[in-house]
Amino acid sequence: DTVLTQSPALAVSLGQRVTISCRASKSVSTYMHWYQQKSGQQPKLLIYSASNLESGVPSRFSGSGSGTDFTLTIDPVEADDIANYYCQQSNELPLTFGSGTKLEIK
Amino acid sequence: EVQLVESGGGLVQPGRSLKLSCAASGFTFSNYGMAWVRQAPTKGLEWVATISYDGSSTYYRDSVKGRFTISRDNAKSTLYLQMDSLRSEDTATYYCARHTDNPWYFDYWGQGVMVTVSS
Repeated sequence: DTVLTQSPALAVSLGQRVTISCRASKSVSTYMHWYQQKSGQQPKLLIYSASNLESGVPSRFSGSGSGTDFTLTIDPVEADDIANYYCQQSNELPLTFGSGTKLEIK
Repeated sequence: EVQLVESGGGLVQPGRSLKLSCAASGFTFSNYGMAWVRQAPTKGLEWVATISYDGSSTYYRDSVKGRFTISRDNAKSTLYLQMDSLRSEDTATYYCARHTDNPWYFDYWGQGVMVTVSS
């Protein structure tokens, strides 16, 4: 299985830039996708295929990377961005998710 | 507006069965693959199973193979997950999600339904 590793938590000040990383245990090409999950809600797609912004998602969100290293960037961070962020690979089955990064505001 | 509404969750004893449903609306259900993704309490997301747009292909994670069956009724725009021989580790919120095709990701999610396996 492809294991995706994320940092457990990040703290950032409002208005600043934050990068959330995801490292895959083997190359997934650009088959990496990012989701936001707010407390008590279902996940929401933010970025697909590493760098494509899903329709309706604010342009403050962006994604980059290929192979094994990927980042989700939020710039600038707003209070509404407090959530858990998950990466997901679709290069091979089983589809796997990272363990999530909790974004906190300083 | 795309809507996915899960139902059928609840408390069930280990070894028993439960069937989840997901009613879809706001899009042509028969054009899309669908999936179930679960999330154990305070844990991360875990893909469970996927079914192709016409039901001809199904895919499962190893831990549920032989116990869970994903199916669909395109006439009713409804997705199902039959869960047999349930274990305590199956306790989770189960989300129905619409699957994109090549690459595979999930562009719409339901609100989730809780399944608790406990004696």
